Amino acid sequence: GENVEQHPSTLSVQEGDSAVIKCTYSDSASNYFPWYKQELGKRPQLIIDIRSNVGEKKDQRIAVTLNKTAKHFSLHITETQPEDSAVYFCAASRQAGNMLTFGGGTRLMVKP
Amino acid sequence: ETGVTQSPTHLIKTRGQQVTLRCSSQSGHNTVSWYQQALGQGPQFIFQYYREEENGRGNFPPRFSGLQFPNYSSELNVNALLLGDSALYLCASPGPPELFFGEGSRLTVL
Repeated sequence: GENVEQHPSTLSVQEGDSAVIKCTYSDSASNYFPWYKQELGKRPQLIIDIRSNVGEKKDQRIAVTLNKTAKHFSLHITETQPEDSAVYFCAASRQAGNMLTFGGGTRLMVKP
Repeated sequence: ETGVTQSPTHLIKTRGQQVTLRCSSQSGHNTVSWYQQALGQGPQFIFQYYREEENGRGNFPPRFSGLQFPNYSSELNVNALLLGDSALYLCASPGPPELFFGEGSRLTVL
C-alpha cells in the first residue's frame, strides 16, 4: 500500500518568514495530493491540493509543488503569521477524496 | 461547505466493551469514510462505504465494522476495545472541498 513520509515533524519560524514542509510517497499510481491544517481540538481542514497533471499550484500565501518523478511534494507558506500555527498533514491517494494516506504531520509554530 | 455531524463528541469506555459512533452528512452523499487519528499522529483510513456497501478498507482488524444506511448516515462499531483504540475517530464525506471531515468523536479506553 501507499506510504507517506513527512518532514520535519516540528518547525519553528519567525513571523514573516517562510515555511516549507516536505512529503514523499511510495505509490506511483497516486494522483491526488491534499494538504490539511489541523488546529488543536479541531477537525483537519483542506488548505490546498494538487493533482498529478499539475506541477505547482498557488493560493495567496500558500503554494504546493509536485515532482512525480521523484515522488515528492512540498507545501510552501510565505509571510507566515501567528494564526498559521497548527499541525499540517500531507496526504496522497489514487483518486481525489478517496482513501487518503496521511503523513505523520508537522507542527508549525510561528513566533510573533 | 458540506456539514458532517458526528456523535458523540467524547466518550469513555473500558477495555473489552463495544462502542458505536455515528455520522451524518448534510449533503446526503452516497460515500462516507472513517479515519482513526491517534494522539500526535496523522489520520489512518479505516474503511469507506458507497451506497451501503464497504468498498475499501485500511489495515484494521474485523472488530472494526461499519454500516451505511439508506439516508447515507453511517456508523462505526468497534468490538472488544483495547487501550490502543483510544483516538479521535473522524468521519469524512466528499465535499466540496474534495474530502470534508467532521469534528470527530474522541474515544478514551480505560
